[in-house]
Amino acid sequence: EAGVVQSPRYKIIEKKQPVAFWCNPISGHNTLYWYLQNLGQGPELLIRYENEEAVDDSQLPKDRFSAERLKGVDSTLKIQPAELGDSAVYLCASSLDRGTETQYFGPGTRLLVL
Amino acid sequence: DQQVKQNSPSLSVQEGRISILNCDYTNSMFDYFLWYKKYPAEGPTFLISISSIKDKNEDGRFTVFLNKSAKHLSLHIVPSQPGDSAVYFCAASDRDDKIIFGKGTRLHILP
Repeated sequence: EAGVVQSPRYKIIEKKQPVAFWCNPISGHNTLYWYLQNLGQGPELLIRYENEEAVDDSQLPKDRFSAERLKGVDSTLKIQPAELGDSAVYLCASSLDRGTETQYFGPGTRLLVL
Repeated sequence: DQQVKQNSPSLSVQEGRISILNCDYTNSMFDYFLWYKKYPAEGPTFLISISSIKDKNEDGRFTVFLNKSAKHLSLHIVPSQPGDSAVYFCAASDRDDKIIFGKGTRLHILP
């Protein structure tokens, strides 16, 4: 069974440019998460979806970040405009359901903002 | 303020010996604890978990111990193998199901 797929794996952009990340969760997984991981830190939740509904986006900087999960499957995370401090790894994870269900992580997208 | 703390950034253990990774938490509302393992350029992978109603959970070479009164949990790996070299994240969740991760401990298994 295919795992969580993310693209691109790496992205280098100049500050003030827009950038988008894509995630395809494991088939049948209703819950999808986007995490931010800074160097030397653990993953921090940005947003959680239950099907197509964003149920927890309290940590998403809404002035520049946006996300969508149309049809409750694939998801995109966008930053516009990017800032130097956005350089990090952006991880997508999915689980069958919320709660104590195991989260399966994708390989992440490493973003470098110059 | 960190709710999940892994105070050892790194740990080196001889192959075949026991590796003990520690984790402390501050939120008494956490009721489920997890350990994830991460290799370079890969996402974290689930390793083992424990509910707050238990004090021990074992899965092969991996055992997690929970001391609720001390708000402390530990992961024991025995015997340690070269493939265990990775970053280990301790994580905790509460009734809102939000998972909070620690900063991680890098484990080096020495030959």
